[in-house]
This record gives sequence, C-alpha cells and structure tokens, in this order.
Amino acid sequence: DAKTTQPNSMESNEEEPVHLPCNHSTISGTDYIHWYRQLPSQGPEYVIHGLTSNVNNRMASLAIAEDRKSSTLILHRATLRDAAVYYCILRDRTGNQFYFGTGTSLTVIP
Amino acid sequence: GAVVSQHPSRVICKSGTSVKIECRSLDFQATTMFWYRQFPKQSLMLMATSNEGSKATYEQGVEKDKFLINHASLTLSTLTVTSAHPEDSSFYICSATVAGGPETQYFGPGTRLLVL
Repeated sequence: DAKTTQPNSMESNEEEPVHLPCNHSTISGTDYIHWYRQLPSQGPEYVIHGLTSNVNNRMASLAIAEDRKSSTLILHRATLRDAAVYYCILRDRTGNQFYFGTGTSLTVIP
Repeated sequence: GAVVSQHPSRVICKSGTSVKIECRSLDFQATTMFWYRQFPKQSLMLMATSNEGSKATYEQGVEKDKFLINHASLTLSTLTVTSAHPEDSSFYICSATVAGGPETQYFGPGTRLLVL
C-alpha cells in the first residue's frame, strides 16, 4: 500500500533548482525514504534515500523534516534530462517491498 | 555496478500462448528480486517478491498460476505469463536487491508485452 502523497505534476525552468515535496504522515520509525525517477518506457532509476538525516549525492539532495512526516527532493539545477516521473517511496526496514504511489511528473522548460 | 538486465525488451505474442521474461543481475548477487507491472500512464504495481531457492510471494489479486516465477539462482529470475490474453499486455519490470548490501532496489529496463 502506497503511503506517500505527491503532487501529480510540477514544472521548472531549466538551470533553476527544483523542490519536489512528499508527504508521508504515517511513516514509522523503521521506514526508509527512497526516491526514484522514471523516464518513459524505462525502468525506475535510483536517486537517493535516507532515514532521518538530510542526504546529499551527486544527483540530488534529500531534506527530511524533523518529525519525518514529509521530505523534499532537491534538484539543484534542473536540466532537460531531469524531466521524468519522480517517486517517493517508503521502505520498511524489516522488509524489502516497494509500493509505488502516483509520483510527480516533472516538466523542465528550456 | 548494480546492473539489472531483462530479456526480451519487447515481445508480441498470440492470445493463449505463454511468454517467459528473464531478469538478470549482471554484476552482483541478488537474494531477492521483485516483479512489477505498469499499465500506460499508471504507476508501478508490485506483483510478487522472489527469493532465491524458495517460492515467490504474490501480492493480493495476482494469480500465481498465471504468473509463474522461478528464482533458481542468485542472478536469475524468470516470469512466465501463461495463456496470455490481451489484458495482460503491459510493461513488466523487475528489480533486485544486493545480497548483504544497502536497501536500494536496482531496476531492469523493462519488457513490453503485447498480446494480440
């Protein structure tokens, strides 16, 4: 069962930062927050994940609220190649299953 | 690293025939593989969890006799759609987790199935 809520779509101008929000108000203490993105007709691609602390990698940053009921994926400088559907997923620490929500379709405007 | 492949990438078959889709972890051992189905403009739906050497665990509403899953080795899982019908036409995606590794799933490129 998907436990996350995301806006259906967002737009961003190229080379500007993008903040993609995700609500997960029923998150438990053992749930990891994962972000993936999917291009048309491709499998999802791992972006980033975290548990409690903010995380950074070469692709993006993940900001996790103090109460962990929400998180934000930050793309620091959007490019046209970042146009995709972004999924925020909770993964229980004791299990491995991912239950995908509807995701956010990001459009990057040149 | 952590590359997952699927074969075939697309397949067209006649109604009533069976189709086998392979999912391989190319550079790592995967104790667990997952199978998803995705219809056009919809999200991924988890079909089953496949553990090496044991029977797959199917999600509610997924017919285990129709979608046969075999995970015979740490690098290969297969999904067989038996007696396929047009409503089985979909995008099938597998993923794998690294044995003893982090919690991320690595996804294959997907297989497009069209049943005529």
